[in-house]
Amino acid sequence: GAVVSQHPSWVICKSGTSVKIECRSLDFQATTMFWYRQFPKQSLMLMATSNEGSKATYEQGVEKDKFLINHASLTLSTLTVTSAHPEDSSFYICSAQTGVGNTIYFGEGSWLTVV
Amino acid sequence: QKEVEQNSGPLSVPEGAIASLNCTYSDRGSQSFFWYRQYSGKSPELIMFIYSNGDKEDGRFTAQLNKASQYVSLLIRDSQPSDSATYLCAAGLDSGGSNYKLTFGKGTLLTVNP
Repeated sequence: GAVVSQHPSWVICKSGTSVKIECRSLDFQATTMFWYRQFPKQSLMLMATSNEGSKATYEQGVEKDKFLINHASLTLSTLTVTSAHPEDSSFYICSAQTGVGNTIYFGEGSWLTVV
Repeated sequence: QKEVEQNSGPLSVPEGAIASLNCTYSDRGSQSFFWYRQYSGKSPELIMFIYSNGDKEDGRFTAQLNKASQYVSLLIRDSQPSDSATYLCAAGLDSGGSNYKLTFGKGTLLTVNP
């Protein structure tokens, strides 16, 4: 299947700082990427839909000024958590949509811990 | 509100048995359905997807879709201990253009006992 890479896999940051997570589609061009958050023993919650070259579409309740998403190319989307707080600690996962059958593949996920 | 419902389990089956995982969805506009496997602390891994009513087989896995009943299932034949994981069902909706949103269920925890 298609490969989606996320970096970093683990990150610990201080409260009040910002952290950037990258999502790359390695062997295909992804016009659409999705960002999810998953708290322990909870389901994946869609945060935003990112289309290359345009502004991301955020789900209700997700602060767009706190979770900055940039989709600058067909293979890269970034999520920046600004002014992170301990309650932002979570597993952040991106996914990318292929053009074939609209199948969606996930990155490996990034564990964010805010201390 | 669009919802995907799954029994949270845990569902325990002996090794070699058939595991049956079920999922219902509320949005009749959903066009495709995906089953993902997620090991603890890892990202979801696509197992298979189905678009049309009926059965779709891929190795030990069979997905079944009944749009009239808004019901999707995943059968795992000859279950192995390595199949122990949380299985996520997702309903996909074409949001227009190149967008294709997935709504996930909370997942069913499957345990295959040796």
